[in-house]
Amino acid sequence: QVQLVQSGAEVKKPGASVKISCKASGYTFTTYAIHWVRQAPGQRLEWMGWINVDNGNTKYSQNFQGRVTFTRDTYASTVYMDLSSLRSEDTAVYYCARGGGVPGDYWGQGALVTVSS
Amino acid sequence: SSELTQDPTVSVALGQTVRITCQGDSLRSHYASWYQQKSGQAPILVIYGRNNRPSGIPDRFSGSSSGNTASLTITGTQAEDEADYYCNSRDSSGNAWVFGGGTKLTVL
Repeated sequence: QVQLVQSGAEVKKPGASVKISCKASGYTFTTYAIHWVRQAPGQRLEWMGWINVDNGNTKYSQNFQGRVTFTRDTYASTVYMDLSSLRSEDTAVYYCARGGGVPGDYWGQGALVTVSS
Repeated sequence: SSELTQDPTVSVALGQTVRITCQGDSLRSHYASWYQQKSGQAPILVIYGRNNRPSGIPDRFSGSSSGNTASLTITGTQAEDEADYYCNSRDSSGNAWVFGGGTKLTVL
């Protein structure tokens, strides 16, 4: 069965960076894009961008341009999201979700990132 | 504009029908998808495309669209349907996702 399994919770200080992984299984990894979505406590879902897992091309939301980087390791069937210059407002649950013809048909379990001094 | 607008809260009596709406210019060109999110859980896709349900989603969930408005209808609402519902579509470029603000559905 299709699964997206994310890395665990992180606690970071302001100004630091965080890297979250999203490991895919149960399907051909390079066939589907991966989107990243975050949700601050009590807030709406916020789209961060996506990566074409086949060729590595990326599209980032303007809200995160310059601070976020998506990469992938096709051998490990894993996508990574790197967010830098963290501030308290970046405290949120970060999700990966499969893209393609059926948008967001599978989601990771989420990874809580807490930014606190 | 790429924004999607939803009513923040909607309530429905148990067993009745409820419609949750999503408005935005991009909906004139792109279908909406709908996600159900319960507290502390990842979103689950319930409707996508013209009116498609992923495997395992009950047929009481349906979707429709007219002009700049997409709707999610739950017919015969159950207690377990109480959740936040988010619409999602592409922006005007077609190359990015955009989410609505979410609707909190309360089942009375």
